Amino acid sequence: SAVISQKPSRDICQRGTSLTIQCQVDSQVTMMFWYRQQPGQSLTLIATANQGSEATYESGFVIDKFPISRPNLTFSTLTVSNMSPEDSSIYLCSVEGMGPNSYEQYFGPGTRLTVT
Amino acid sequence: QKEVEQDPGPLSVPEGAIVSLNCTYSNSAFQYFMWYRQYSRKGPELLMYTYSSGNKEDGRFTAQVDKSSKYISLFIRDSQPSDSATYLCAMQSTNAGKSTFGDGTTLTVKP
Repeated sequence: SAVISQKPSRDICQRGTSLTIQCQVDSQVTMMFWYRQQPGQSLTLIATANQGSEATYESGFVIDKFPISRPNLTFSTLTVSNMSPEDSSIYLCSVEGMGPNSYEQYFGPGTRLTVT
Repeated sequence: QKEVEQDPGPLSVPEGAIVSLNCTYSNSAFQYFMWYRQYSRKGPELLMYTYSSGNKEDGRFTAQVDKSSKYISLFIRDSQPSDSATYLCAMQSTNAGKSTFGDGTTLTVKP
């Protein structure tokens, strides 16, 4: 299993500003995923981040709005740029399981963002 | 149309009841079927996993997959207040870590 921590756990931000969310994993992983989860809604994948290459963004998400860094195999950051109230959500990072258990995903506790 | 549709809930049951949570899907390539449990203010954690069709039992939990109907279910027997959480179904076509998730069903088990 993997233990994932995220910082900050929550934040209240003003519109037009940016917030960087950090994700730290206790083991080396190839792929890290960033999700958004709005109340009563599913997990929506924002992007997949591989170490040493640019992140791959899902439809509807762009690098200018959600830049991602992946400097090593245990760490990643997601920035929510030029925020608006519509960006208020929970942001979760996730990693895949190892070896034959790679169907499984492990999730961090999430970052609860409120944009005013 | 979404690839994965989950019964929306919310669901409220008395302690000891049998709970049925259900999802349908449209992508016939899905082979891995998972159920995640998410407690309030926590990330989802894997509860059950099934490969292809069939049943799998783990204590009070039973996962069923019917690929012919593209329908999966999670049954909880003798439900407990500690089972109160949001349950998310998830599916993959390959063993590749990135799943497609249902919207989740919030379950409350009342003592």
